[in-house]
This record gives sequence, structure tokens and C-alpha cells, in this order.
Amino acid sequence: QKEVEQNSGPLSVPEGAIASLNCTYSDRGSQSFFWYRQYSGKSPELIMFIYSNGDKEDGRFTAQLNKASQYVSLLIRDSQPSDSATYLCAGAGKTSYDKVIFGPGTSLSVIP
Amino acid sequence: EAQVTQNPRYLITVTGKKLTVTCSQNMNHEYMSWYRQDPGLGLRQIYYSMNVEVTDKGDVPEGYKVSRKEKRNFPLILESPSPNQTSLYFCASSLFGRYSNQPQHFGDGTRLSIL
Repeated sequence: QKEVEQNSGPLSVPEGAIASLNCTYSDRGSQSFFWYRQYSGKSPELIMFIYSNGDKEDGRFTAQLNKASQYVSLLIRDSQPSDSATYLCAGAGKTSYDKVIFGPGTSLSVIP
Repeated sequence: EAQVTQNPRYLITVTGKKLTVTCSQNMNHEYMSWYRQDPGLGLRQIYYSMNVEVTDKGDVPEGYKVSRKEKRNFPLILESPSPNQTSLYFCASSLFGRYSNQPQHFGDGTRLSIL
């Protein structure tokens, strides 16, 4: 059974701090990884996607992928109260023939 | 504006009364999918479609039907709804990824309550 695991949280960080969200996956064949942000009662919104080992930065967000350790993370710099949400990690194989597996999500709370 | 549109957004109905949740996307995406989201269980895939007339079961297809007669539309049909289908439903679409799996764009969700 292919799985994506995340700590459910809640993860609490003070405003302005770096929030670090972690995700591990069981399928060594996974090559595509996605981070979605979901506010309560709303739809998932794509934050980042990453295909290669290493770091990928977009504004305040950095995704990190380590395929050898089967580990993906999302760093949020200068955290804002508006970043308070649930963050879903998802992994998939190389093409759309491979199902996207979503983790259960980590709840983040940024304290003003 | 690029979007995935679901209707209705909210529905309360009774057991056994057939219902359809529509999903339409304007991004010319080949891939479309339906998910349900329940507390503690996360997002679970119901059905997906790689292109017109190509559909397949996801993880929890029992009690649901889909069709893909046109590229933009992917309706979800509950022929005889039961209370265990009470959930938050999301439609999603993406380009078809031949060399890398593509990010999915989600609709706003449909909250179904089956009494």
C-alpha cells in the first residue's frame, strides 16, 4: 500500500518565524511531489510542486526533496497568520497514469 | 479565469434519491478526478478520467458513477445515495502528464448531506 505520512499537528509557530512541515512517502517510485494549502471548509490550493532532489524556492516557500530518504518538506519563511491552514503533501509517479497519493495533512497555526 | 466549477455547492437530500454533482473545467485539461474528504481520512479518490470516454475507479468507487462525454465535463452520479456518502466532494483537473505528473486544480467543493 503506497502511503504518504504527515504529522497531523497542530504545529504552532509565532508570526515571523519559519514553519517547517514534513512528509515521508513509502513508494520509492514516486517522482512528483506537491504541497497544497487548505483553509477550513475550502478547496486545496497548490503551493509548490517539485520533481528533482534538492530545494525549490518560490517567494516565502521552499520545498525540499530527498528521494534517498523518501522525505519531502515545506518551509514557510516569515510566517503570517494568513498561513494558518492545513497543508497537504502529495506524491505520485512519473506520469498521470500514476495515482496521486495524498497525506492526511498537517494543521499549521501562526500565532500573532 | 481558469477554473474548475462544481454544482451544487451544498445539498441536503434523502436516502435513495438520485443526484448528480456537475463538474466543468475551462482549461482544456485531459485528466479529471473526483475525491471525497472526510475527517481523519483525508482525500480519497472516487473515480478519474484520462480523457473523453476513458474513466476508471479510484479507491472508493462503490455507490458512484461517472461519465466523460465531453472533455470539459465530468459529472458524479449517486444513483441511490446513502448516509455514508455524506461528505465533502472535490472535483479536480490537470493536464495529462506524459513525462511528469501534473498539479491538479480543485473546484470549490460540494458538501453533501444524505439523511
